[in-house]
Amino acid sequence: DTAVSQTPKYLVTQMGNDKSIKCEQNLGHDTMYWYKQDSKKFLKIMFSYNNKELIINETVPNRFSPKSPDKAHLNLHINSLELGDSAVYFCASSQGFIDQPQHFGDGTRLSIL
Amino acid sequence: SQQGEEDPQALSIQEGENATMNCSYKTSINNLQWYRQNSGRGLVHLILIRSNEREKHSGRLRVTLDTSKKSSSLLITASRAADTASYFCATDAGTDKLIFGTGTRLQVFP
Repeated sequence: DTAVSQTPKYLVTQMGNDKSIKCEQNLGHDTMYWYKQDSKKFLKIMFSYNNKELIINETVPNRFSPKSPDKAHLNLHINSLELGDSAVYFCASSQGFIDQPQHFGDGTRLSIL
Repeated sequence: SQQGEEDPQALSIQEGENATMNCSYKTSINNLQWYRQNSGRGLVHLILIRSNEREKHSGRLRVTLDTSKKSSSLLITASRAADTASYFCATDAGTDKLIFGTGTRLQVFP
């Protein structure tokens, strides 16, 4: 069974559209994250949730809105997509915070036309 | 600016050789982690080393940490073609989030 699963794997859409990415983890972890990896492979945290509560919001434009319906799920909704949003978005989870290993999904590759 | 920077940016070796990657960081840390990323996949955790530890081993992996020099190294011994991947270090920089380095792309030729 996949520990951290994201859907969709690929997302190709037009500028200005709204899209969502879903993430689920079956590890029983209480902390989940969204990361953005750019074309140079630089990985940067966007959001972190612990037990459904927002812990980290890393100066991300408010067009990005995470939602955690329960501690096993963390979704990311993006409004009014822009060219600069093209990237690979990774969901991750951990038990506890940064003193524990993080488990990553395989990413969602978002391409804006 | 980034907390961690890996060196070299890219490394090509033959199977059986050892691969060494270095990570330098700027501010004090509580722990440092190494991750591997295969092409088109998510990151996979390799080793976590705490600031009061100097060396850790896991199978063919050996990680050292020198907090006085603010640097860490990852050694992969007897490399295999399957070790071909990008390797990232990540530190907490004394904060509540992981900050990833720029990565080293390792290519192991059969």
